[in-house]
Amino acid sequence: DAMVIQNPRYQVTQFGKPVTLSCSQTLNHNVMYWYQQKSSQAPKLLFHYYDKDFNNEADTPDNFQSRRPNTSFCFLDIRSPGLGDAAMYLCATSREGLAGYPEQYFGPGTRLTVT
Amino acid sequence: GDSVTQMEGPVTLSEEAFLTINCTYTATGYPSLFWYVQYPGEGLQLLLKATKADDKGSNKGFEATYRKETTSFHLEKGSVQVSDSAVYFCALSDLRQGGKLIFGQGTELSVKP
Repeated sequence: DAMVIQNPRYQVTQFGKPVTLSCSQTLNHNVMYWYQQKSSQAPKLLFHYYDKDFNNEADTPDNFQSRRPNTSFCFLDIRSPGLGDAAMYLCATSREGLAGYPEQYFGPGTRLTVT
Repeated sequence: GDSVTQMEGPVTLSEEAFLTINCTYTATGYPSLFWYVQYPGEGLQLLLKATKADDKGSNKGFEATYRKETTSFHLEKGSVQVSDSAVYFCALSDLRQGGKLIFGQGTELSVKP
């Protein structure tokens, strides 16, 4: 089945130690998104790629970076994680078409713990 | 800017009860509307969608109708099950904002046997 895969599902990192989360998709969608979701809150969009074009949200901290080496893969890099960065990180994809942007398909998420 | 407001939770129901989760939106354009469901420890799953006024989205016994006149997209189910316990997010997507999803705050549903 076509899907969005996130690895690892659970990640523990130390305060200030760089960490990378990965996302891959078999849907061949041209748009990929990264969201941060804290407990009992709605997901918050960090940035998205439209094909190779990177689009950062205005309030996304510089500590968060992303790479998309090809259509299938996208990475979230947190350069110096703080305790406040502990959250669920969700990857999503969509395919922009004639009708605009249809629904987004989400991966299962990576739960990040910062110690 | 565009926004989505959902009824506050948690909502607690007995099995086989009728469910309504209210959702209203503010948008200057013509957004698409979605309901996503999130089970504990998992990502979001698309439950249903509607792309224009008067469209009805439906899936797994859930329904929602896109009401432009009342700017609403209320989620309903005639008979809930324990397995429906989850957090439900209403969201809109506006082409003029590059297709970004704007979420409501989420409503937690707990169904008791």
